[in-house]
Amino acid sequence: EVQLVESGGGLVQPGESLILSCAASGFDFTAYNMNWFRQAPGKGLEWVSYISRTTLTITYADSVKGRFTISRDNARSSLYLQLNSVTAEDGAIYYCARGKAHWGRGTLVTVSS
Amino acid sequence: DIVMTQSPLSLSVTPGQSASISCKSSESLLYSDGKTYLYWYLQKAGQSPHLLIYEVSSRFSGVPDRFSGSGSGTDFTLQISRVEAEDVGVYYCMQGTHFPYTFGQGTKLDIE
Repeated sequence: EVQLVESGGGLVQPGESLILSCAASGFDFTAYNMNWFRQAPGKGLEWVSYISRTTLTITYADSVKGRFTISRDNARSSLYLQLNSVTAEDGAIYYCARGKAHWGRGTLVTVSS
Repeated sequence: DIVMTQSPLSLSVTPGQSASISCKSSESLLYSDGKTYLYWYLQKAGQSPHLLIYEVSSRFSGVPDRFSGSGSGTDFTLQISRVEAEDVGVYYCMQGTHFPYTFGQGTKLDIE
């Protein structure tokens, strides 16, 4: 069974940093491209970042470009998202996804002073 | 960026009746490989989105055949036949042809 478990969310102050993790299991992690999506409270869905299975292709939404960094550790079957210089607009549930099909349950990031 | 426009934004359906959701993109979603990367998701209350339809019309694993997708180019439709109580939630279309991937605003379906 495909499982994606996000962690690392929490309360962070504006301007600070946070690293989100996604532990994958139940499939060959090395064979899949991965995405991060997010959803602000009461709002719609937003794609955040993509990383190919070989890491050769990485891309970001304009809203996070230059502040967020996606990475993966294929040996650990893990996906990461480093959030730097967060703002209130970054407060959301962050979901990792295998491709576009399987999503985790998400981890909540709250940005507040 | 490609703009995805869903309609209606809310829908109230009697159990057993059909429902239809439209999704229009500002540009063609046909990719150079001949595929069209249009997806439909359902997000139930308190849950993460789950995939219903991929590449316009292919049902994802375990999705009942009451759900069907159609369309091409810039116009797409999700059809739900014989709506059941478990179908309530917010339906999103998403284009995965061009970065950035973009979503429709969501269509909230409830049961009358």
